[in-house]
Amino acid sequence: ETGVTQTPRHLVMGMTNKKSLKCEQHLGHNAMYWYKQSAKKPLELMFVYSLEERVENNSVPSRFSPECPNSSHLFLHLHTLQPEDSALYLCASSQDPLSGANVLTFGAGSRLTVL
Amino acid sequence: AQSVAQPEDQVNVAEGNPLTVKCTYSVSGNPYLFWYVQYPNRGLQFLLKYITGDNLVKGSYGFEAEFNKSQTSFHLKKPSALVSDSALYFCAVRDMGDYKLSFGAGTTVTVRA
Repeated sequence: ETGVTQTPRHLVMGMTNKKSLKCEQHLGHNAMYWYKQSAKKPLELMFVYSLEERVENNSVPSRFSPECPNSSHLFLHLHTLQPEDSALYLCASSQDPLSGANVLTFGAGSRLTVL
Repeated sequence: AQSVAQPEDQVNVAEGNPLTVKCTYSVSGNPYLFWYVQYPNRGLQFLLKYITGDNLVKGSYGFEAEFNKSQTSFHLKKPSALVSDSALYFCAVRDMGDYKLSFGAGTTVTVRA
């Protein structure tokens, strides 16, 4: 395993549901990230947390709400999603996010389908 | 602003032949460049990176990449491809002094036996 665990691996939800994605890293990293992966499109950076403080919110709609209670855990709360939000959501972690050379370690992703 | 272009959606090669996956980038300053690979039902895995120094960077699984500043390219290469190299490959760039890592759209590599 990569050291970054995401649950659930698959999620199907209706547009009125509320659900959450969970990410946990066991690497002692200081930063955590949410990315959205859609087919044949570049990965979209959604949120960045450094030492539990949000340092980036990349114009993400408010129906996505992140939470980082500590440096090992990251959540993405989902509410009133649209079918176009269906995608693979990837969590990643790294050491110092401000170090340009730092390498991201990714989880396996949560495949979200919005009906 | 920084961006990455991977001009080929798909690359098909025969096993044992050389493999090249193309990447060009745009940054305002000096770039940090990365290649990641994604196997089916897995997250992205780091392959190699260019920070500074030698333009030819060697990474995991026999892959290498060459940084070309004049052509703003960072093509990924492997001299002899394996069927197990079949995967989705992403190029990424970070501008010096920025923490955002921008990815390309990915190139699907298929190596046939």
